[in-house]
Formats: sequence, structure tokens, C-alpha cells
Amino acid sequence: QVQLVESGGGVVQPGRSLRLSCAASGFAFSSYAMHWVRQAPGKGLEWVAVISYDGNSKYYAGSVKGRFTISRDNSRNTLYLQMNSLGTVDTAVYYCATEHREDHEARPYFQHWGQGTLVTVSS
Amino acid sequence: EIVLTQSPATLSLSPGERATLSCRASQSISNYLAWYQQKPGQAPRLLIYDASTRATGIPARFSGSGSGTDFTLTISSLEPEDFAIYYCQQRSNWPPLTFGGGTKVEIK
Repeated sequence: QVQLVESGGGVVQPGRSLRLSCAASGFAFSSYAMHWVRQAPGKGLEWVAVISYDGNSKYYAGSVKGRFTISRDNSRNTLYLQMNSLGTVDTAVYYCATEHREDHEARPYFQHWGQGTLVTVSS
Repeated sequence: EIVLTQSPATLSLSPGERATLSCRASQSISNYLAWYQQKPGQAPRLLIYDASTRATGIPARFSGSGSGTDFTLTISSLEPEDFAIYYCQQRSNWPPLTFGGGTKVEIK
């Protein structure tokens, strides 16, 4: 079965960096676009970034553009999120998620999710 | 950026009752809308995609309708496990992909 396991979260000071990882198994990782979605404590969902199956296309939310970088290593079945210049507004649970695949079509919805990793930005 | 507005913020109902949740888009998004369910401490779960198609394994009591700017998620008869927060999400004009603010369905 599909499994996504995020890691790398923790407490970090404002202005510092952190790299999140998402280890994927149980599906053809190298053929799926992958997303990061975050959720601040007690708040709603916010899409963060997407990367195409081959890593050649990447898109970001305006709130993280220029600070965060999404990448992937298909040989390791792993998705990454490099987060720089972190601020308190970036405090959230970060989920990795697969694109949606059904009816022989790929859609930018979120079909499979990890359990999330908590990033806390605090001095 | 397309803004999705969900209403009501909270819906208080009893098991067995019908739940009707609304999601309104700031501009037409055709049928490019999904619904998710999230329970405390869990990741969201995809329920409905393209406004009205149930995702794999989703019970038939969940149904979606609408197109353009107005969408509805209906739970025909609430089961105890259906009390949760529900989010809509659009894929019509992206990036960015955007979510609504959520509707909490709570036990009355």
C-alpha cells in the first residue's frame, strides 16, 4: 500500500533553515507529481509547492516563493522541501501528498498523504 | 488567486441527519473541485473529486454537486465517524492550488 513518511521537522529559530524529507513506498514514485501542503496549528490547509514526476517543473505558493525549494530523488523514492529564512508564520504541520490518479488521468488534487511533520519556528 | 468560501463554519447535527456543506468560488472553476475530510490528529482524506465523483473507497452516503461557482457536499445520513472538518479545494486556475477555510461538522 502507499506509504509516505515525512521527517526533518523540529524547532528552529527565525531566519534559520530546515530540510524536510518524505520517503515514499508502495507506488511508482518516479511517475507521480508530488506536493507539500501545510497546516498551521488550529488553522486550515495551505498548498505549498508541487514538483513534476521528473523534477523538471516546480511551482510554489506566493508565501514561500524564493525561500522554499522542492526537489526529489527518484532513485531514493524521496521528496524534499528545503526551507530557508524561516519565520514564525511558517510554523505548521507539513504534509507530503501525491497527485490524484484515477480513471487514467492525473489531477492536481491530493490522493495519498503522509502523517505530517511539525515545524515550529520560535526564538 | 481563486478564493473558496465555505459555509457554514460549523454545522451541529445528530447522527442520522443529513449534512449539507457549501463551497463558493470567487470565479468560475467549472467542475474542478475536490472535497476532503480531516479528523483530529490525522491527515486529510480525499472524498470527492471533479465536484461529483467519489474517490476510491468512499461510501455512497457522500455526494458532491455543483459547477461554476457554487458547490455542495452532502452526507445523506451522518455516521458517528463522519464528525470532522471538511475542506474544498480547486484546481481550475493554478498555481496556486487553494483550499476553503473548512466546515466543522460537530455532534449536536
